[in-house]
Amino acid sequence: EAGVVQSPRYKIIEKKQPVAFWCNPISGHNTLYWYLQNLGQGPELLIRYENEEAVDDSQLPKDRFSAERLKGVDSTLKIQPAELGDSAVYLCASSRRDRPDTQYFGPGTRLTVL
Amino acid sequence: LAKTTQPISMDSYEGQEVNITCSHNNIATNDYITWYQQFPSQGPRFIIQGYKTKVTNEVASLFIPADRKSSTLSLPRVSLSDTAVYYCLVGDRNNAGNMLTFGGGTRLMVKP
Repeated sequence: EAGVVQSPRYKIIEKKQPVAFWCNPISGHNTLYWYLQNLGQGPELLIRYENEEAVDDSQLPKDRFSAERLKGVDSTLKIQPAELGDSAVYLCASSRRDRPDTQYFGPGTRLTVL
Repeated sequence: LAKTTQPISMDSYEGQEVNITCSHNNIATNDYITWYQQFPSQGPRFIIQGYKTKVTNEVASLFIPADRKSSTLSLPRVSLSDTAVYYCLVGDRNNAGNMLTFGGGTRLMVKP
């Protein structure tokens, strides 16, 4: 069984540029999560989807961040425009709806904003 | 949400047993204790979960005292490849809304 797939693995952009990250969850997992992880810290939830519905986006900075999961499968997280402070690893995870405690994470996208 | 406290870092040597303790004084009746492991340049990985007493799998053991206000992750005979960050999470495992706080984790360094 394939794990959670994320692309790209690395991205370097200049500030004020847009950037997008893509995630394909484990087949059959209804719940999808996007996390942000700063160096030396634990992951912080940005948004959680149940199928195509964003059920928890309270930590998503909506002025510059957006996300979508149109068909309830893969998802895209976008930042526009990027700021220096957005440099971090962006992790995607998925789980069965009834087992949010057992999340499967992708390798993450390391974003560097110059 | 139950808050967890765990040591920021620990050092060990190959072959030793490592015990990482997590405090969760405000744990609720429905809460489970879950541990994740994160290697450099990878996402976290679920390693073990328990509610009370002891749980053991091929990776680790989890000891939970009767009052459930703390838990100890035990890694037997660690190797260099066990160098990672270990996160303790506490929450209702059927409620995604309160299972998502990772905290800073414990950075384990295994030395030769």
